[in-house]
Amino acid sequence: SQTIHQWPATLVQPVGSPLSLECTVEGTSNPNLYWYRQAAGRGLQLLFYSVGIGQISSEVPQNLSASRPQDRQFILSSKKLLLSDSGFYLCAWSVRRTSRRGPDTQYFGPGTRLTVL
Amino acid sequence: AQKVTQAQTEISVVEKEDVTLDCVYETRDTTYYLFWYKQPPSGELVFLIRRNSFDEQNEISGRYSWNFQKSTSSFNFTITASQVVDSAVYFCALSYNTDKLIFGTGTRLQVFP
Repeated sequence: SQTIHQWPATLVQPVGSPLSLECTVEGTSNPNLYWYRQAAGRGLQLLFYSVGIGQISSEVPQNLSASRPQDRQFILSSKKLLLSDSGFYLCAWSVRRTSRRGPDTQYFGPGTRLTVL
Repeated sequence: AQKVTQAQTEISVVEKEDVTLDCVYETRDTTYYLFWYKQPPSGELVFLIRRNSFDEQNEISGRYSWNFQKSTSSFNFTITASQVVDSAVYFCALSYNTDKLIFGTGTRLQVFP
């Protein structure tokens, strides 16, 4: 069965410090990978998604970036955190579509709660 | 524009009551997909159901049921005989011809014993 891991689970960082959040998926190959952010009491905002190694699409301009160095690894980074980067970051995966059928279900990881002080 | 509206911000019920969570969507596409996710206090989103626009049959899974009505662009979720463990934030989401999900703002359900 497939599992998705995220770490760290919680993180407290000062403004201006760098960030690296990691997401890995097990039990599947060639997945689509996604990073979402959920601000306190709000819905989910798609930040990045990737259909393959080195292929990253950015949905929202910001000081965050994403990388996919391996097939099942997705990293969210920042060089300098802002207060507004605080939130709950969720990674998700789905089966990569190989035909014109509809999008597959996205399955989410446990999330990382980031507090920027 | 593609949009999902969950007008109910928070709902409180007493255990064993039935509760319906509303979801209204907007899309110009004729082919689209609708989802419900549950977010318990732990934070992880748990997938509940996926439904495509060509399948308007209502679905029942245990105490959960979903009512999909294209005429009103709604995909409502009902929990029968609610339990304390049902307390969570529930998200409705829409996807069309992409792999991206558009989420509603969620409905927080509190079930009191």
